[in-house]
Amino acid sequence: DAKTTQPPSMDCAEGRAANLPCNHSTISGNEYVYWYRQIHSQGPQYIIHGLKNNETNEMASLIITEDRKSSTLILPHATLRDTAVYYCIVRVAQAGVGDSSYKLIFGSGTRLLVRP
Amino acid sequence: EAGVAQSPRYKIIEKRQSVAFWCNPISGHATLYWYQQILGQGPKLLIQFQNNGVVDDSQLPKDRFSAERLKGVDSTLKIQPAKLEDSAVYLCASSSQLAGGDEQYFGPGTRLTVT
Repeated sequence: DAKTTQPPSMDCAEGRAANLPCNHSTISGNEYVYWYRQIHSQGPQYIIHGLKNNETNEMASLIITEDRKSSTLILPHATLRDTAVYYCIVRVAQAGVGDSSYKLIFGSGTRLLVRP
Repeated sequence: EAGVAQSPRYKIIEKRQSVAFWCNPISGHATLYWYQQILGQGPKLLIQFQNNGVVDDSQLPKDRFSAERLKGVDSTLKIQPAKLEDSAVYLCASSSQLAGGDEQYFGPGTRLTVT
């Protein structure tokens, strides 16, 4: 089962920041938080990931709380092309496979609608 | 850099028929994944390969689904016989590091409709 919970849907106005929350209260100390998004009829696309510190790249920023039980993905200036389903995922180790073997367990995600 | 290629993009079959999907990962990516995505849900991992060995197939319905990755490159996923509940998008992804590297690159998927 997915280790994350997200609101099923959100909307924001074009040009404004979109803040997508995610709860992962059972996350373990060495488990990373990943964000992917899926635009209609396409495969998921990697956005960003982090462990403890806040992260930023050209697509988004990831804010992780100090206790690591929740995080927020921030799209600083949302455009219509950002309309998609956003998945928050805790990367888990493959059981019994040894080092450096992980998998992503997707939940249902948040459907973000960017309004003109 | 070419992305993950999948074919066919769409397939319609009747129940009890068989079907096969093909995936060509990004060149040099050792890890390959097959996911099933039912409408309205997130992708579910079916099987994960590292090179040509299986890392995880715990969610693969082995009575009807099979997958192989010959020579550690291309992969095929087969369903035989298909059921109505197999209607879904089948996504292939690859990553460059040892099993479960930081970023998975997804193909466009194959949409299967079973009637």
